[in-house]
Amino acid sequence: GAVVSQHPSRVICKSGTSVKIECRSLDFQATTMFWYRQFPKQSLMLMATSNEGSKATYEQGVEKDKFLINHASLTLSTLTVTSAHPEDSSFYICSANPIDRGTDTQYFGPGTRLTVL
Amino acid sequence: KNQVEQSPQSLIILEGKNCTLQCNYTVSPFSNLRWYKQDTGRGPVSLTIMTFSENTKSNGRYTATLDADTKQSSLHITASQLSDSASYICVVSSGGGADGLTFGKGTHLIIQP
Repeated sequence: GAVVSQHPSRVICKSGTSVKIECRSLDFQATTMFWYRQFPKQSLMLMATSNEGSKATYEQGVEKDKFLINHASLTLSTLTVTSAHPEDSSFYICSANPIDRGTDTQYFGPGTRLTVL
Repeated sequence: KNQVEQSPQSLIILEGKNCTLQCNYTVSPFSNLRWYKQDTGRGPVSLTIMTFSENTKSNGRYTATLDADTKQSSLHITASQLSDSASYICVVSSGGGADGLTFGKGTHLIIQP
C-alpha cells in the first residue's frame, strides 16, 4: 500500500518549452502533496505544498509563475515547469500525505529527471 | 536555524560487513526522526521512524538509534548486501507538514563485492 507514482520518469526538452510532471497516489487519497527538487549530491529541497482544490503554497525563492502546480483531485497533482531553461534541469520528486494520517507522514514518488537542453 | 548533519558524506565497505551512519540534528521542536533509503534516480523510501520516547527501531538488517538528549541518531546496517548501495537520508520533523521537515544531505553508501 501507499504507492505514489510519477510520470514521466525522465524527460528531455528544449529550452523555452514547458514540461508537465504528474504525481499520483495510487491506493490512497491525499489532500496534500508536496513537490521537491534535488540537485546532484544534495538534499531534497521543498518547492511547494499542493492542497486539493486550493492554491499551492510556495517556498521562499520558488517562482510560482514558473512552477505551476495544480491539485485537481485527491489523487493527482501536476507540476508544470514553464519556459524551461538549462538551470531547471534537476530531479523532481513529489510526495503525498494520506488523508487519514498525520501531517508529517509522506510517501515519496520515484522522481522525474528533467534535462533541459 | 534547524539543521541536520550527516556523516560520513560517503562510505565504501565490502559486502557482508557492517556499517554505521550518523545523524546529528539541531531541530526544535522535535516530533520524530526518520531514516530513508534513496536508490540512485529513485525517490526516498522510509526505513524507520522514531519519536522522542523511542531509542531504537529495527527494520530487518537496519537498526536505528535515537538519543534525544544529545540529538543524535545512527543507522546500523548489518551484513551489508550489494543492494544496500544507496544514499541514506536522515529527516527530522518538527511536526506540521512538509515545511516542518529538515533533510540531511545524506550518506552515499557503496557496497563492493
